[in-house]
Amino acid sequence: DQQVKQNSPSLSVQEGRISILNCDYTNSMFDYFLWYKKYPAEGPTFLISISSIKDKNEDGRFTVFLNKSAKHLSLHIVPSQPGDSAVYFCAAAVNSGGSNYKLTFGKGTLLTVNP
Amino acid sequence: EAGVTQFPSHSVIEKGQTVTLRCDPISGHDNLYWYRRVMGKEIKFLLHFVKESKQDESGMPNNRFLAERTGGTYSTLKVQPAELEDSGVYFCASSLYRQGAIRFYEQYFGPGTRLTVT
Repeated sequence: DQQVKQNSPSLSVQEGRISILNCDYTNSMFDYFLWYKKYPAEGPTFLISISSIKDKNEDGRFTVFLNKSAKHLSLHIVPSQPGDSAVYFCAAAVNSGGSNYKLTFGKGTLLTVNP
Repeated sequence: EAGVTQFPSHSVIEKGQTVTLRCDPISGHDNLYWYRRVMGKEIKFLLHFVKESKQDESGMPNNRFLAERTGGTYSTLKVQPAELEDSGVYFCASSLYRQGAIRFYEQYFGPGTRLTVT
């Protein structure tokens, strides 16, 4: 039973345009949502996050939107650059006691930004 | 500041053999997590340490997997005996949990160990 779903395995956009990556979740107990970026042969790198009590968080070219009623979040990258080409993972954190914030991941979306 | 390191980067073993993966977290990070990504699937949580104590082992697949964190520093994950379905990429992550700190839930990942069981 997948609690975090990224239904688009891949996305291709032109340089300079907006990239929108989507994520849906089923567990209403998640406390935080995170986006990680991953290049081949590297570990996931933290990109941006949002608390479950917020609906938007912005950091430079990256903005994450959270719609709790729809259990949906999205990552917007504007403008997209070729260096943004990577696999993007949506992850959700739930506090499982003490300092344990284990992450539940989606399967990832491969973003390709074409020059 | 050095990041999370993992050794080896790649391991190929035969079914029935034993393999030990090592993770060195970021210095000072009390929280250490192990995750695994099997081909075609999502990254899944295995277990969580706070210092040398296992806090959550709910993601460990079975008793062929043994994780330790001696002295609360580096951690090892032993698979004995390895089976074909154990193949995948094993990630280690660490975090610095401080009450009131910004993004205290953020985890820093290592590059992973790719395990291939033949």
